[in-house]
Amino acid sequence: GENVEQHPSTLSVQEGDSAVIKCTYSDSASNYFPWYKQELGKRPQLIIDIRSNVGEKKDQRIAVTLNKTAKHFSLHITETQPEDSAVYFCAAKLTGGGNKLTFGTGTQLKVEL
Amino acid sequence: DAMVIQNPRYQVTQFGKPVTLSCSQTLNHNVMYWYQQKSSQAPKLLFHYYDKDFNNEADTPDNFQSRRPNTSFCFLDIRSPGLGDAAMYLCATSRDWGATDTQYFGPGTRLTVL
Repeated sequence: GENVEQHPSTLSVQEGDSAVIKCTYSDSASNYFPWYKQELGKRPQLIIDIRSNVGEKKDQRIAVTLNKTAKHFSLHITETQPEDSAVYFCAAKLTGGGNKLTFGTGTQLKVEL
Repeated sequence: DAMVIQNPRYQVTQFGKPVTLSCSQTLNHNVMYWYQQKSSQAPKLLFHYYDKDFNNEADTPDNFQSRRPNTSFCFLDIRSPGLGDAAMYLCATSRDWGATDTQYFGPGTRLTVL
């Protein structure tokens, strides 16, 4: 089955700096990679996703890059703000694996003033 | 507008006392999921329904059951809750079972077992 590793587990940045969270996956057949943001006590919310036929995707201050050869993908947040503080989960889905998500272990991002 | 609704938001039960959590959706999605999420961990899939077809994860304890009486509603039954079942229970939906269909999560039910 698929295995997703996520690093770092905690990340502290100053407001306005960039934050990068990295994930690696094990199964080269994975073809869809969503990122979820979860604030304390709230639901995971999809913030951006990328499909395996695309190398990079950007949405305002958030971008995701995918390196299929190396089997890793990264979330980039620029100009971080205090409201970006949350736990971020990466996930991967296998081609032919239906809609079953394999989640990474999460990154606690703290944006300090 | 709420799309995936979970009730109650907080549930307290006693050790061994059966409890039912509910989920409803206004998206008319074919697939509904139940996840268990413990503190500081990723959501763990318990089972999912594709329409009325039930799919259990291999490591989901028998203590957990589910019902989906219609497209809109799905229930999670915990027959004999133990202390280790205290967690956030998340319901999610997706339009279909395609590999790129986005999953949308409900707000969760926080279960406390006394």
